[in-house]
Amino acid sequence: EAQVTQNPRYLITVTGKKLTVTCSQNMNHEYMSWYRQDPGLGLRQIYYSMNVEVTDKGDVPEGYKVSRKEKRNFPLILESPSPNQTSLYFCASSFLATAVETQYFGPGTRLLVL
Amino acid sequence: GNSVTQMEGPVTLSEEAFLTINCTYTATGYPSLFWYVQYPGEGLQLLLKATKADDKGSNKGFEATYRKETTSFHLEKGSVQVSDSAVYFCAPHRSYSSASKIIFGSGTRLSIRP
Repeated sequence: EAQVTQNPRYLITVTGKKLTVTCSQNMNHEYMSWYRQDPGLGLRQIYYSMNVEVTDKGDVPEGYKVSRKEKRNFPLILESPSPNQTSLYFCASSFLATAVETQYFGPGTRLLVL
Repeated sequence: GNSVTQMEGPVTLSEEAFLTINCTYTATGYPSLFWYVQYPGEGLQLLLKATKADDKGSNKGFEATYRKETTSFHLEKGSVQVSDSAVYFCAPHRSYSSASKIIFGSGTRLSIRP
């Protein structure tokens, strides 16, 4: 089944404790991205990747890191989480990075930083 | 700058009612226009899209027409069902030289009463 998977689905952590949220897609997509969803703000892009070893900042990159060592995986790293990073996070992918491409989303990771 | 304005929710309707969710956008050039839907506890998924002016996207009884002259992409359904209860996002996708840029509206929560 074609899908985007994220792990974990739910995470409670404390300020400053490094964490990684994994994202994997099995559709051979070149383009992957991370979003956070907050009430009243819709989805905001954190980072995106055009292909392996090619990543760039989105609209709200502060406090996050990403890597793209393999085509299928695009982990999101919070080196020192803070309470303002409490949010619902989505990974998404598409075949190419053109305007006509549909984005395929993972099921989301709900993060609470205490 | 580029932006999208989406009808604020929540919207509550009775089953079989007519639905309209308004969406207008500002963007240079000619973006592709998408509606995504988020069912409870899930990630976003494509509902419908239109890639050029006057195109009509349709799926599951929902329709939206790309209106270049009014920069709008309103979502409509003639007879809603309880299973349509979800959050709906309008999302113009615009191509840049290096990547596409997707702007998500803030989302409209729709609740359908039996």
